[in-house]
Amino acid sequence: QVQLVQSGSELKKPGASVKVSCKASGYTFTSYAMNWVRQAPGQGLEWMGWINTNTGNPTYAQGFTGRFVFSLDTSVSTAYLQISSLKAEDTAVYYCARGGYFDPFDYWGQGTLVTVSS
Amino acid sequence: EIVMTQSPATLSVSPGERATLSCRASQSVSSNLAWYQQKPGQAPRLLIYGASTRATGIPARFSGSGSGTEFTLTISSLQSEDFAVYYCQQYNNWPPVTFGQGTKVEIK
Repeated sequence: QVQLVQSGSELKKPGASVKVSCKASGYTFTSYAMNWVRQAPGQGLEWMGWINTNTGNPTYAQGFTGRFVFSLDTSVSTAYLQISSLKAEDTAVYYCARGGYFDPFDYWGQGTLVTVSS
Repeated sequence: EIVMTQSPATLSVSPGERATLSCRASQSVSSNLAWYQQKPGQAPRLLIYGASTRATGIPARFSGSGSGTEFTLTISSLQSEDFAVYYCQQYNNWPPVTFGQGTKVEIK
């Protein structure tokens, strides 16, 4: 069965970096794009962008350029989200979700809580 | 960017009653509209895609309708496990993919 398993919760200080992983199983990793979605505490879902798992080409939504980097390791079917220069407002649950052009997000990771606090 | 607007923000419904949730797009998204259910502490779950097709394993009490800019999610007879937040999402014009702000279905 399809599964997306994300890395565990992180507690970071302002200015630090964090790297969240999303390991896929149960399907051919390069057949589906991977998206990243942010959910701030008590808020809705915000699409951060996606990465083409064939080419490794990322696309970032407005507001997620500069400090946010999507990457892949196709040898282990894993997508990564790295956030640098963390700020308190980056505190959120980050989800990976499978889906591509004209496709819904049919499978989601369990979410990774990133807390930024001094 | 297409703006998705959901109404109402909160819907109070008794178990066994029908719930009707609305989602409006700022421009046409054809039928490329999905609904997701999210319970506290859980990831969103795909319920409906293509505006009206139930995802695998989704009970028949969930139904979706609409096309273009107006969409509806109907839960025919609310069960205890259906109390949650529901989001609509358009995936017709992207980037960016956009979500509505959510409708919370609570017990009356």
